Amino acid sequence: KAGVTQTPRYLIKTRGQQVTLSCSPISGHRSVSWYQQTPGQGLQFLFEYFSETQRNKGNFPGRFSGRQFSNSRSEMNVSTLELGDSALYLCASSYSVWAGVSSYEQYFGPGTRLTVT
Amino acid sequence: DAKTTQPPSMDCAEGRAANLPCNHSTISGNEYVYWYRQIHSQGPQYIIHGLKNNETNEMASLIITEDRKSSTLILPHATLRDTAVYYCIVSDTQGGSEKLVFGKGTKLTVNP
Repeated sequence: KAGVTQTPRYLIKTRGQQVTLSCSPISGHRSVSWYQQTPGQGLQFLFEYFSETQRNKGNFPGRFSGRQFSNSRSEMNVSTLELGDSALYLCASSYSVWAGVSSYEQYFGPGTRLTVT
Repeated sequence: DAKTTQPPSMDCAEGRAANLPCNHSTISGNEYVYWYRQIHSQGPQYIIHGLKNNETNEMASLIITEDRKSSTLILPHATLRDTAVYYCIVSDTQGGSEKLVFGKGTKLTVNP
C-alpha cells in the first residue's frame, strides 16, 4: 500500500498570504488528522476529519481551516499568514470506525515545510 | 497538555536493549498507551499500542504495569537507525476520534 502523501513538500509564502496544503491518506483510511510541528511548541493537533466532517479540533485560531473530500483526501488552509505559522505541517490517516472505537494507529506523511517571510 | 512524563534523553549501545520509560499516572480506564517515534525531519512513525496487557510486534515490546500508571517500551536490539525521538501518548478519544497529544518525548541516541 502506498503511504500518506502530502503536497507540496516545501513552500515559501509571505506574511498576509494564504496557503492550501493537501493530504492523500492511505487507501481505505477514512480519518485524516492534521498536526503542526514547531521547535518551540512541538507537535500540536490541529483538527481531524472523518467522512467529510470535522470530528475534533485543537486550539488554533480560525485562520486555520480544513476540509475532507468524498475520497477521503483532505486539505488544510491557513489564511492571513503570520511569521509564527512557519512550521512542519503533518497529515496522518487512520482507518477508524465511528461508534465503538477502541484504538487506531495513525500513519503520518512526510509533512509540508512552510516558511513564512 | 500531554498526560505523560518521559525522560528528555537516553543513550543506548548498539545491539543492546533500549528500555524507554513513561509515566501516565492519570490514565483512565478506557485510554490506550501509544508509542510513536520521529526520526529527524520525518513524520512520526507508529510503533505499538496497548491497553492493559503487554504487547509485542516486530518493532518493539510494550510493558504496562498492572496499575497502568506507567509503561516501558523495549527495543530488544537497538541499531543506529533507532536513533530518534520517542513519544509516549495516552489517547484522547472524543466522540470516537483519536486525537494524539504529543509531549516532548525522549531523545534516544544509539551509539556504536
